[in-house]
Amino acid sequence: QQQVKQSPQSLIVQKGGISIINCAYENTAFDYFPWYQQFPGKGPALLIAIRPDVSEKKEGRFTISFNKSAKQFSLHIMDSQPGDSATYFCAASIPGRSGGYQKVTFGIGTKLQVIP
Amino acid sequence: EAQVTQNPRYLITVTGKKLTVTCSQNMNHEYMSWYRQDPGLGLRQIYYSMNVEVTDKGDVPEGYKVSRKEKRNFPLILESPSPNQTSLYFCASSQRAGGLLSGNTIYFGEGSWLTVV
Repeated sequence: QQQVKQSPQSLIVQKGGISIINCAYENTAFDYFPWYQQFPGKGPALLIAIRPDVSEKKEGRFTISFNKSAKQFSLHIMDSQPGDSATYFCAASIPGRSGGYQKVTFGIGTKLQVIP
Repeated sequence: EAQVTQNPRYLITVTGKKLTVTCSQNMNHEYMSWYRQDPGLGLRQIYYSMNVEVTDKGDVPEGYKVSRKEKRNFPLILESPSPNQTSLYFCASSQRAGGLLSGNTIYFGEGSWLTVV
């Protein structure tokens, strides 16, 4: 059962264009929505994250848009550059018991290629 | 430098030959976990550990074992590898979640490519 649905699986964007990756979830207990960026041969690394009480978060060229009522969130990469070519994972997490761990569920990933 | 180190990075083995992938973190994190990454399936959690001697199954634990005898180390053991365990494996660590909210950053190792023939 895929709790976080991510699309598209692959994306090709021209340099300078906008890259958009979408994710949807069902479980309303999720309270944290990070995006991880993975370059070839490397492990994923946190890129940007948002909580459901905020509709948008921007860090440089990267923006998360969050629609709580639709249970959807998306990553927008403005002015996409070849150096942004990577795999992007959306994720959602549920708080654990007090003092416990958080359960994180990842999307299937989107392979982004930015062409010159 | 804060990091999660896993070894080996690349391994080809034969069906049934026991192997261990080691993982070590230098951030004093209590929480560690193992994921496998497969095309079209994303990252799936195999096992996790909340502290020394405390481990539990993730979403796809079949065919794997783990142990947590020291805080910094969390090895992944494949007792009898099979071809369907051919995958890219990631070890990860994070601060132990506390309070009512989640949101701790997960730090991943660089991955271990495992091929079982």
